[in-house]
Amino acid sequence: LAKTTQPISMDSYEGQEVNITCSHNNIATNDYITWYQQFPSQGPRFIIQGYKTKVTNEVASLFIPADRKSSTLSLPRVSLSDTAVYYCLVGDMGNYQLIWGAGTKLIIKP
Amino acid sequence: NAGVTQTPKFQVLKTGQSMTLQCAQDMNHEYMSWYRQDPGMGLRLIHYSVGAGITDQGEVPNGYNVSRSTTEDFPLRLLSAAPSQTSVYFCASSYSNKNYGYTFGSGTRLTVV
Repeated sequence: LAKTTQPISMDSYEGQEVNITCSHNNIATNDYITWYQQFPSQGPRFIIQGYKTKVTNEVASLFIPADRKSSTLSLPRVSLSDTAVYYCLVGDMGNYQLIWGAGTKLIIKP
Repeated sequence: NAGVTQTPKFQVLKTGQSMTLQCAQDMNHEYMSWYRQDPGMGLRLIHYSVGAGITDQGEVPNGYNVSRSTTEDFPLRLLSAAPSQTSVYFCASSYSNKNYGYTFGSGTRLTVV
């Protein structure tokens, strides 16, 4: 199972674009990259998933370079409500036992 | 459209007591799982199920039992509660093993004294 490394915490301001990078040097050929968001006292919420290049949805974009050893979650024009913990997970689509790290605590300031 | 429903939301147990955490989903998801989350840490997988009648152990299964008699329900049983089981427990489901877009419940905060 590929291990991921993320910054423990990040600060930003309302209206800014925030990029959170995740390192996964041992990613395997069949592994996908998935990001979740978790607010205090709530369960994690699926944000975005990708395999290579760029994926975009209504909430975020996910950038994956050609070597796939890292990925970047991009949150456009953040607001105070984006303050949360963000988790990067890497795993084979057929493997249920994903490893959750401690995530990145993102704090958005007014 | 309830999604994943967990009960109770809070529970205090005495050491040695047993209890069952309930999890139900109304999305006809085949895959269900239980996680625990300790302060400042990520989630750790306890048990999971890929369909009714099929369960398997995750990373930290000791002290917990599960069963899956229906697609909708996946209860987690604590056999003899210990202070080390004080944690927040999350249930999650997904429609298949082809994606990791899990839907999580709101959690059960368990304290064992």
